[in-house]
Amino acid sequence: GDSVTQMEGPVTLSEEAFLTINCTYTATGYPSLFWYVQYPGEGLQLLLKATKADDKGSNKGFEATYRKETTSFHLEKGSVQVSDSAVYFCALSDGGTGTASKLTFGTGTRLQVTL
Amino acid sequence: ETGVTQSPTHLIKTRGQQVTLRCSSQSGHNTVSWYQQALGQGPQFIFQYYREEENGRGNFPPRFSGLQFPNYSSELNVNALELDDSALYLCASSARDEQYFGPGTRLTVT
Repeated sequence: GDSVTQMEGPVTLSEEAFLTINCTYTATGYPSLFWYVQYPGEGLQLLLKATKADDKGSNKGFEATYRKETTSFHLEKGSVQVSDSAVYFCALSDGGTGTASKLTFGTGTRLQVTL
Repeated sequence: ETGVTQSPTHLIKTRGQQVTLRCSSQSGHNTVSWYQQALGQGPQFIFQYYREEENGRGNFPPRFSGLQFPNYSSELNVNALELDDSALYLCASSARDEQYFGPGTRLTVT
């Protein structure tokens, strides 16, 4: 079945450091890929997405490129801020029928940014 | 535009009891999905409802059941609660390929 593997956290960075969170996936067909962010005590917020190979999703300074050849969707940000501290989830959709497919999530990576 | 809302925020139940969780979808969204997020884990898909019909189910036993109403709001029912059912239950609504999550209901089973 479909699966998502993320690098384990926590990841601790100083403010303005460069961020990479690795994500690889296994899926049949051509899934869409997503990054969600979860702040303490809150639900998930969609951060960015990519729906086909070589697409780059971007939002709020974060970006990720859909790499079919390496089955990866790594999240990057050039300069993190304390407010970016949260748990980040990589996810894929199975491209099934209906208006929205089920999401398969990784286990999440906690990011802690310090001053 | 009102986002996805869930109720209650928290609740505590005893093993063997039954619980109903509620979700109001975002305006214009006709699809609702439910996920279970255990502590320190990623969300796991429970099931999805599209126009009041179940439209896919994850690896959860039949004691997890749901409903979707004509206004597209939804309920998740869990019978015969077990300790392992303690988790954050997330509802997500969608109209196209993006799912928008509510804040979740934290269920504790003692």
